[in-house]
Amino acid sequence: LAKTTQPISMDSYEGQEVNITCSHNNIATNDYITWYQQFPSQGPRFIIQGYKTKVTNEVASLFIPADRKSSTLSLPRVSLSDTAVYYCLVYGSSNTGKLIFGQGTTLQVKP
Amino acid sequence: GAVVSQHPSWVICKSGTSVKIECRSLDFQATTMFWYRQFPKQSLMLMATSNEGSKATYEQGVEKDKFLINHASLTLSTLTVTSAHPEDSSFYICSARGTSGLYNEQFFGPGTRLTVL
Repeated sequence: LAKTTQPISMDSYEGQEVNITCSHNNIATNDYITWYQQFPSQGPRFIIQGYKTKVTNEVASLFIPADRKSSTLSLPRVSLSDTAVYYCLVYGSSNTGKLIFGQGTTLQVKP
Repeated sequence: GAVVSQHPSWVICKSGTSVKIECRSLDFQATTMFWYRQFPKQSLMLMATSNEGSKATYEQGVEKDKFLINHASLTLSTLTVTSAHPEDSSFYICSARGTSGLYNEQFFGPGTRLTVL
């Protein structure tokens, strides 16, 4: 079962770029990397998913090195509303498609 | 993206009663749904995987007789907390996966806050 490790918390200021790195040393060949965002008392919201190299959407970018043992979620120009918990998850054949949540990273954006 | 709803959004009940929580995929068919619980300041904990038309698969340590799961259709899964006690008070969240593929995005419901008095 692929386990993820990410910082417990991060602080940033409005307008800055935030990079959250996640390590997943035992990721399997068929596993994907996915990131979710969760606000208090709400269900998680999908942000981005990737397999290798770089993926970008309207919300974030995901950088995955060639060895795939880590990944970095990049949030450009954060605002106060980006204050949330961000979860890095690995899923696929190593855990039969189940999403197993780790502790997540609590991002606090300050004015 | 696809929408998943939960009902009720919150419920307060007396100890010893049973509570049913519904999870619906509103605009897609979900062959697989998942149930999680989340305590304050903690991460989501997967409780069980629910497949349409078959018995749910429970994670280790989750009592299947305590948390009854039914996935009778491709758009509805229910979680019944039987004989609820204060320690069952938690935030219950469901998610749905759109197709049978392992790598498809899961869509989460808004959660149900259960408080047992």
